[in-house]
Amino acid sequence: DSGVTQTPKHLITATGQRVTLRCSPRSGDLSVYWYQQSLDQGLQFLIQYYNGEERAKGNILERFSAQQFPDLHSELNLSSLELGDSALYFCASSRRGQGASETQYFGPGTRLLVL
Amino acid sequence: GQNIDQPTEMTATEGAIVQINCTYQTSGFNGLFWYQQHAGEAPTFLSYNVLDGLEEKGRFSSFLSRSKGYSYLLLKELQMKDSASYLCAVRPTFGAGSYQLTFGKGTKLSVIP
Repeated sequence: DSGVTQTPKHLITATGQRVTLRCSPRSGDLSVYWYQQSLDQGLQFLIQYYNGEERAKGNILERFSAQQFPDLHSELNLSSLELGDSALYFCASSRRGQGASETQYFGPGTRLLVL
Repeated sequence: GQNIDQPTEMTATEGAIVQINCTYQTSGFNGLFWYQQHAGEAPTFLSYNVLDGLEEKGRFSSFLSRSKGYSYLLLKELQMKDSASYLCAVRPTFGAGSYQLTFGKGTKLSVIP
């Protein structure tokens, strides 16, 4: 158990809908990262937050958005869902979000299925 | 751009040694990580290399050659529970905002009796 929690564990929804995925980082970690993992693409970095502010952006679609709240939990919002958005969504956290050796610890993921 | 290559699948026998290779071409380099991921589960951290050479941690060792853009993960005394995907990840740049990891697609290792 990494100490990172994610809810829900599974989510089934329809095309065109909007969903929110939630992540709570490990105690003391200030930085949160979101990744998407699909069968053919591997783990793709979406976005990073540090202490409430956006730190870095990866391959995140405009239909997706995220935020980190004052209590450091984070939410990833996915809207106008398409079949291709079906994937495992992982949240990871790290202590400061900086430093070459800093390790990211991953949550159990949310499996999203868009029908 | 970023490019990280790993073999897609490998099979090895219980008790044996297996080496999983990773080559990378990234815009800058500031560390390489190996993660283990069982099917449908979260990636878990195995090792970190930033300087050339071998890092040993129990049954697992990881090697890095920065000049060759090459790393390998060595698993000794293989156990059935080592059947998993092994992900190579590079931290490509060092600077404000650039602490994310770029992952390879992973190597699925099957350990057979």
